[in-house]
Amino acid sequence: KQEVTQIPAALSVPEGENLVLNCSFTDSAIYNLQWFRQDPGKGLTSLLLIQSSQREQTSGRLNASLDKSSGRSTLYIAASQPGDSATYLCAVTVGRRALTFGSGTRLQVQP
Amino acid sequence: GAVVSQHPSWVICKSGTSVKIECRSLDFQATTMFWYRQFPKQSLMLMATSNEGSKATYEQGVEKDKFLINHASLTLSTLTVTSAHPEDSSFYICSARDRGGQGGTQYFGPGTRLLVL
Repeated sequence: KQEVTQIPAALSVPEGENLVLNCSFTDSAIYNLQWFRQDPGKGLTSLLLIQSSQREQTSGRLNASLDKSSGRSTLYIAASQPGDSATYLCAVTVGRRALTFGSGTRLQVQP
Repeated sequence: GAVVSQHPSWVICKSGTSVKIECRSLDFQATTMFWYRQFPKQSLMLMATSNEGSKATYEQGVEKDKFLINHASLTLSTLTVTSAHPEDSSFYICSARDRGGQGGTQYFGPGTRLLVL
């Protein structure tokens, strides 16, 4: 059974810092991996999707990498801003099944 | 981009009543939709997979007679929480997979917050 782990569970940084969120998964036979953002009480916003054949994806200040063989992904956020404060969820798909989510990293960026 | 809507966005009901939540794919067809549940400060957990025209597949520990799923068309799936109890209070999120899309991308609805008194 696929298990997804995210470290750290919570993170507080001052504005302007670069930061890295980590995600690991136990079954490397994934179809794709996604990073989501979730604001309190809200739904999910898809940030980046990496297909299993890809190594990384970039969108603005966000960069996500994927090392399928080692079962790891990282989300890099450059020059963090208070508006980046949210919970970041990593999720993987195996085949055409539903996503398996990690428990998330709660990020607080201090002004 | 692909849009998935959910209705209602939030609902408060009395214990023992039934609540129906709709999940619609607005600009694409979805043969498969997924229903997730999220308790406070926890991640999303898959409840069931809904396939158009066939019975839903439930995850272990999810009561199919309590959480009725109907996927009668390629753009609509419904989740009915029957005889709701306070422990059913949660955030319910659906996702839909674009039948014609690449990579099996799933698009998420905005969620429905259920509070059972």
